[in-house]
Amino acid sequence: QSALTQPPSASGSPGQSVTISCTGTSSDVGGYNYVSWYQQLPGKAPKLMIYEVSKRPSGVPDRFSGSRSGNTASLTVSGLQAEDEADYHCSSYAGSNNLVFGGGTKLTVL
Amino acid sequence: QVQLQESGPGLVKPSETLSLTCTVSGGSINNYYWSWIRQPPGKGLEWIGYIYYTGITNYNPSLKSRVTMSLDTSRSQFSLRLSSVTAADTAVYYCARVGPTLVNGYNLWGQGTVVTVSS
Repeated sequence: QSALTQPPSASGSPGQSVTISCTGTSSDVGGYNYVSWYQQLPGKAPKLMIYEVSKRPSGVPDRFSGSRSGNTASLTVSGLQAEDEADYHCSSYAGSNNLVFGGGTKLTVL
Repeated sequence: QVQLQESGPGLVKPSETLSLTCTVSGGSINNYYWSWIRQPPGKGLEWIGYIYYTGITNYNPSLKSRVTMSLDTSRSQFSLRLSSVTAADTAVYYCARVGPTLVNGYNLWGQGTVVTVSS
């Protein structure tokens, strides 16, 4: 299994919306409704923000939303805030009880 | 609340075996998948594998030949052994929990432990 493809960086101004993509194949992202997104602040462990493509765990602001089209999943952060500046990682179920992560995207709030 | 804490040597010599333990406190090991995930310096996350509370394991195919995970329910601990390490195994190693199914997302993580492979 190969790592999912994410853009190395993304940016937006406070109040704007930004979308981060996560591209895989029909064997992972495109084959299952099991994409998760994680936020990682500097020096910290990742935090689950989205699971099963578009579901939010309790406590995650509704400014964070997920979607999928074909082999590409997306995380959209609306109403950007300074505290959203972090690395974002996607992961997907890849069949045979395996998981695969993306390379991560650094989100900068300008 | 439930917490995870990794422990183990921070420095391992090339060709030797990396051994880490994750202690689960404040909750039960039952009904969850317990995983190891690593992050090389400046890079993304890599899924190493999991051990289910019943002892069933599954490993990343790219690491399968070198990985062994075990569970000690009496101590509420699970462990990782990675053999024949090289510099490419240098990373922050996280233990994490997912459940009740593998696709629910990792909602609990340890703080991570840095492991450096160097002579």
